[in-house]
Amino acid sequence: QVQLVESGGGLVKPGGSLRLSCAASGFTFSDYYMTWIRRAPGKGLQWISFISGSGTTIYYADSVKGRFTVSRDNAKNSLYLQMNSLRADDAGVYYCARDRPLTGRDYNDYWGQGTQVTVSS
Amino acid sequence: YVLTQPPSVSVAPGQTARISCEGDNIAGKSVHWYQLRPGQAPQLVIYFGSDRPSGIPERFSGSNSGNTATLTISRVEAGDEADYYCQVWDNVRDHRVFGGGTKLTVL
Repeated sequence: QVQLVESGGGLVKPGGSLRLSCAASGFTFSDYYMTWIRRAPGKGLQWISFISGSGTTIYYADSVKGRFTVSRDNAKNSLYLQMNSLRADDAGVYYCARDRPLTGRDYNDYWGQGTQVTVSS
Repeated sequence: YVLTQPPSVSVAPGQTARISCEGDNIAGKSVHWYQLRPGQAPQLVIYFGSDRPSGIPERFSGSNSGNTATLTISRVEAGDEADYYCQVWDNVRDHRVFGGGTKLTVL
């Protein structure tokens, strides 16, 4: 069955960096767009980024553009999110989620359990 | 593009819950709904407005007309208590947009 397992979250100081990983299994990873979404404390869901199966098409939310970088290693069935210049409002639970095979503009049919990111001095 | 949901909806077990998602001419967009329960991975419950993924009970249904999309949960059960989010793609900004979320409380 489809499984997505995030890791790499933790406590980081403002201005610091963190790299999140998402290990995928149970499907042909390279066939699917993948997305990162976060849920800030006491707030709703916020879309962060998506990446195509080949890694050639990438979109970012304005709030993270220039600071976050999404990438993938299809040989390792893994998705990554490099987060730099972290701010307090970047804190939250970060989820990786599977998109449809041909687009990241629709819905996510499988999600991971999430990894917690805390930004505090 | 802004999606507006009521912060909370309360319903007794066995009754019908309706959660709205308002957006400018949302009927022209594909709307998707997610359920978030504490300690669990979020789950897609409705996609493309009214389609139901396999494994989601028929009690869950969706509609989309004018400026309002609606998630309807019939014969509500205690296990349906969760936060529900609607979502669309904003073609102008090329961004995915979520509503603010609705907390469903089963009385």
